[in-house]
Amino acid sequence: DTEVTQTPKHLVMGMTNKKSLKCEQHMGHRAMYWYKQKAKKPPELMFVYSYEKLSINESVPSRFSPECPNSSLLNLHLHALQPEDSALYLCASSHGNSPLHFGNGTRLTVT
Amino acid sequence: AQSVTQLGSHVSVSEGALVLLRCNYSSSVPPYLFWYVQYPNQGLQLLLKYTTGATLVKGINGFEAEFKKSETSFHLTKPSAHMSDAAEYFCAVSTASKLTFGTGTRLQVTL
Repeated sequence: DTEVTQTPKHLVMGMTNKKSLKCEQHMGHRAMYWYKQKAKKPPELMFVYSYEKLSINESVPSRFSPECPNSSLLNLHLHALQPEDSALYLCASSHGNSPLHFGNGTRLTVT
Repeated sequence: AQSVTQLGSHVSVSEGALVLLRCNYSSSVPPYLFWYVQYPNQGLQLLLKYTTGATLVKGINGFEAEFKKSETSFHLTKPSAHMSDAAEYFCAVSTASKLTFGTGTRLQVTL
């Protein structure tokens, strides 16, 4: 069981669709992260939120739009994605220098 | 910049044999180092971490790792492999809220 919950587990969307990925944690962590993981590759950092403010954006295309409504929630809004954006999207959270806690991810397929 | 290098993208051991997964780091400051495990279709789970203090770190599932500054290494070991250990293992280094992963090592355990 993971303490970081991601929904949905799987998502199939067309290139003209708009969808959102959701992440929730109730551990009181004040940093939250989005990672993208392609098959047989390590996770790559996309965004970091610290105290609900965007602190790191790893030059991610604007078709990915993160949002942190409160300290427990993190969303990733998707619009006009490309097939190469198909991947496992992982959310994580941490506090201070503690290790990252990961969710089980959303497997996204763009058709 | 800090980085980690994992030697061997694929390691195969017999059940009951020693597991040794190699990780070398590059860092200009004392690093925080981690090992994560990823089972199929799941997120990443923390196995163990090194921050400061004792250089031999014990983790979950019988794994341990030793921080060797002179060799810039943080190799992961387990005395006796079990079939359930088959997974992808990632070494990672942390700096300024960013966790950077190695390329991963797939561990196969055979009967």
